[in-house]
Amino acid sequence: AQTVTQSQPEMSVQEAETVTLSCTYDTSESDYYLFWYKQPPSRQMILVIRQEAYKQQNATENRFSVNFQKAAKSFSLKISDSQLGDAAMYFCAFYPRTGANSKLTFGKGITLSVRP
Amino acid sequence: DTGVSQDPRHKITKRGQNVTFRCDPISEHNRLYWYRQTLGQGPEFLTYFQNEAQLEKSRLLSDRFSAERPKGSFSTLEIQRTEQGDSAMYLCASSLQVNQPQHFGDGTRLSIL
Repeated sequence: AQTVTQSQPEMSVQEAETVTLSCTYDTSESDYYLFWYKQPPSRQMILVIRQEAYKQQNATENRFSVNFQKAAKSFSLKISDSQLGDAAMYFCAFYPRTGANSKLTFGKGITLSVRP
Repeated sequence: DTGVSQDPRHKITKRGQNVTFRCDPISEHNRLYWYRQTLGQGPEFLTYFQNEAQLEKSRLLSDRFSAERPKGSFSTLEIQRTEQGDSAMYLCASSLQVNQPQHFGDGTRLSIL
């Protein structure tokens, strides 16, 4: 079974600054995906970024990038040039690539607030 | 793409009543998932379908819960004899294939009086 840990319940960032959200996971799988999802208050969960475990290169999507450390089982999200619209709950999630247990395992989430 | 649609958005019911939720996945997505999310927590997996076949059920899905996906299109999740502990947001997600990203609906918030 997989576990995903997000140990910071809340974080705050000044608008236009950079913030890093932490995530660690535990698994015996060798091939998997890692995701960051964003859930604004009372709104739909949206995929922010995806990392494939077999790729060494860190994924980037515009202002969002990850620091994937496979040996350390760490997967952090960096948000650059933070905007007010980035305020939301962010969930780190694990998905095994091998078909068995084909479901997302989420962390508890972190609430990000952005100060104007 | 119209996105994943869930109905209703909010359901308030008395303890002991039965409730049914509906999820319409993105067209041509053959995988459909149900998750439950309680306040301040991440979503927890309940069950998933590959087309019309229900392939896995979580231990969270007691015998009061049943899910169907007739004809591999929309899905329903029914909770019988609701209990206070069933109060949560029920999320539906769909994906095109097994290793494709899951797209979530807005969820159905269930409140048990």
